[in-house]
This record gives sequence, structure tokens and C-alpha cells, in this order.
Amino acid sequence: KQEVTQIPAALSVPEGENLVLNCSFTDSAIYNLQWFRQDPGKGLTSLLLIQSSQREQTSGRLNASLDKSSGRSTLYIAASQPGDSATYLCAVRGGSNYKLTFGKGTLLTVNP
Amino acid sequence: DAGITQSPRHKVTETGTPVTLRCHQTENHRYMYWYRQDPGHGLRLIHYSYGVKDTDKGEVSDGYSVSRSKTEDFLLTLESATSSQTSVYFCATGQTKDTEAFFGQGTRLTVV
Repeated sequence: KQEVTQIPAALSVPEGENLVLNCSFTDSAIYNLQWFRQDPGKGLTSLLLIQSSQREQTSGRLNASLDKSSGRSTLYIAASQPGDSATYLCAVRGGSNYKLTFGKGTLLTVNP
Repeated sequence: DAGITQSPRHKVTETGTPVTLRCHQTENHRYMYWYRQDPGHGLRLIHYSYGVKDTDKGEVSDGYSVSRSKTEDFLLTLESATSSQTSVYFCATGQTKDTEAFFGQGTRLTVV
């Protein structure tokens, strides 16, 4: 059974700092990994999708990496802003019917 | 984002009553999923569909059933609601195993 762990559970940083969120998974037989953002009381917004054959994916100030063999992914946020405050969720897709398995998220607070 | 509409957005119901939640998508995505999100548990898969009339159970399917008679609609039914089913329910869709998953805005269900 796939298990996804996100560390840390919560992170508080001052505005402007670069930061890294971590995601690990137990079964390396995945199709892809997706990072989401969730604001309080809202749905999930897709940030980045990395295919199993890729090592990195970038979108603006966000950069996600994937090391499938070691079961790890990181989400790098450059020059953080208060608007980046949210919960960040990592999910891996695998199995016979391409199900997404989620970590419990990292609650990020960026202080002005 | 994909056009995913969940209805209702909020519902309060009594223990023992049946409840149906609806997910409607306009993207013609093949795969549809129902998740529930609870504090301390994160997002857990209830049921999913990989085509019209093709559905299967997720990890927390007891007490729930689903139906998919059209590509665009995926219904989740709580056969006899219990307080343990108080949660936020999310619908997600995806075209293939290689593409992004998109989420609806969620339905907050309270069983009293």
C-alpha cells in the first residue's frame, strides 16, 4: 500500500525567504507526482505535475523535483510572499487504476 | 482549471437519512474520483470511476455507493448517513494517467 509523508507538517517563514517542502513515498512504481495548494475552506489547486520519467518541473517561482528511485520529491518556493500562505499537498499516482494517494500536507505561513 | 461543479456546497442532514452528492464535469474526462478530507487523515479515496458504469472502491468505501451513468456526472450516495460521515467531500477528474487531476470546490456535509 502506497504511503505518502510530508515534512514538515507546518512551516513559518519571513517574507522573501526561499523554502523547501518535502514529500516522500514508499512505492516507487508511480506514474507521476502532483503538487497542490489548498487555501482554507477551498478546493485543491494544481501547481505542478511531474511525470515519473522527469526530474524537474518549473512554474514561475515554483520548482518541483522528483527522485523516483529514492521515493522523494521536493517543492522549492523562491522569494516567498504572504500570498503563498496555504497548505501544500503532494500526491502520487499509481496502481492499476491510476489512483492518487495524498500526503497530509504542509501548512505554510509566510509572515510579512 | 477543469469545469468541475459539486452540489450541494453545504448540507446538514440527520442521522439515518440517505444523501446524494453530485459531481458534474464539462471536460469529458474519463476518470472521476470521490475523496473525503478530515483533520488528521488528509484526503482519502472513497470510490472512483474509470468510465461510464465502471466504478470501483477506494480505501474508505463502507457506507457509500456511487453511480456514473454519463461521462459528465458522478454521484456519491450515503445510504444511511452517520455522524462519522461528517466531512468535506471532494470530487476530482482526470483525462488519463499522465495528465493532471483537477478538483472541485468541495461539499461540506454535516450529519447531526
